[in-house]
Amino acid sequence: AQSVTQPDIHITVSEGASLELRCNYSYGATPYLFWYVQSPGQGLQLLLKYFSGDTLVQGIKGFEAEFKRSQSSFNLRKPSVHWSDAAEYFCAVGPYSSASKIIFGSGTRLSIRP
Amino acid sequence: DTAVSQTPKYLVTQMGNDKSIKCEQNLGHDTMYWYKQDSKKFLKIMFSYNNKELIINETVPNRFSPKSPDKAHLNLHINSLELGDSAVYFCASSQESRGNEQFFGPGTRLTVL
Repeated sequence: AQSVTQPDIHITVSEGASLELRCNYSYGATPYLFWYVQSPGQGLQLLLKYFSGDTLVQGIKGFEAEFKRSQSSFNLRKPSVHWSDAAEYFCAVGPYSSASKIIFGSGTRLSIRP
Repeated sequence: DTAVSQTPKYLVTQMGNDKSIKCEQNLGHDTMYWYKQDSKKFLKIMFSYNNKELIINETVPNRFSPKSPDKAHLNLHINSLELGDSAVYFCASSQESRGNEQFFGPGTRLTVL
C-alpha cells in the first residue's frame, strides 16, 4: 500500500538550532517526493521536490532534503531555524504524472523556542 | 496576482444547507484538485479534474459535486451539509508538463453548525 509516515507529530527546537524532520514512504513505483509547509491559517507552499538526479535537493527558505532509496526516506533539514519557520510541515509522495493522486503524511508541527 | 484563489475564505452555515466554494487558477495549469483538511490537519484528496474531465473521485459522499466550467475553474458544491463536513477545503492546480507539483490555494474554512 502507498503511504507516507511522519513519525514526529510535534517538534520544538531552539532558534538557531539545526532541524531534521523525518519522512518515510511506501510506494510501488519511482516516487516523486515533496515537502510542503503550512503556516497558521495559510495554504500549503512547496518547499522542495525530488524525482530524479542528485539525491540532496535544495529548496526555498534554506531547507534541504535527502532522498535515501535504501531507507525509503526523504528527511527535511535546515542548519539553523528561525522563529518564522514555526509551521506545519507535510511530506508527500506521488507519481510524476500530473492528474494523479499525491499522498500526504499526517504532518509535523514545528515550534521554535526563543 | 494570486495564483490559486478560493472564495469564500470562511463559510459558516447551518446543517442541511447547500453551499458552494469557488476556485480559480491563473497559472494556465490543466489539472485542478480539491482537498479536505480535517481538524487533525490530515490532508486528503477528494477530486481532480484534467482539462475539465473528472480524473480522480475518491470515496466522497454524493452530496459533494465538483464542477469545472473551464480548465481555470473548479467549484465545489455541497448539498445537505452535515456537522462532519466542517473542515478546511483546499483547491490546488498542477501542469502535466511539470509533473505532479501542486500549487495550493489559501483554503476555505467551512463550519457547519
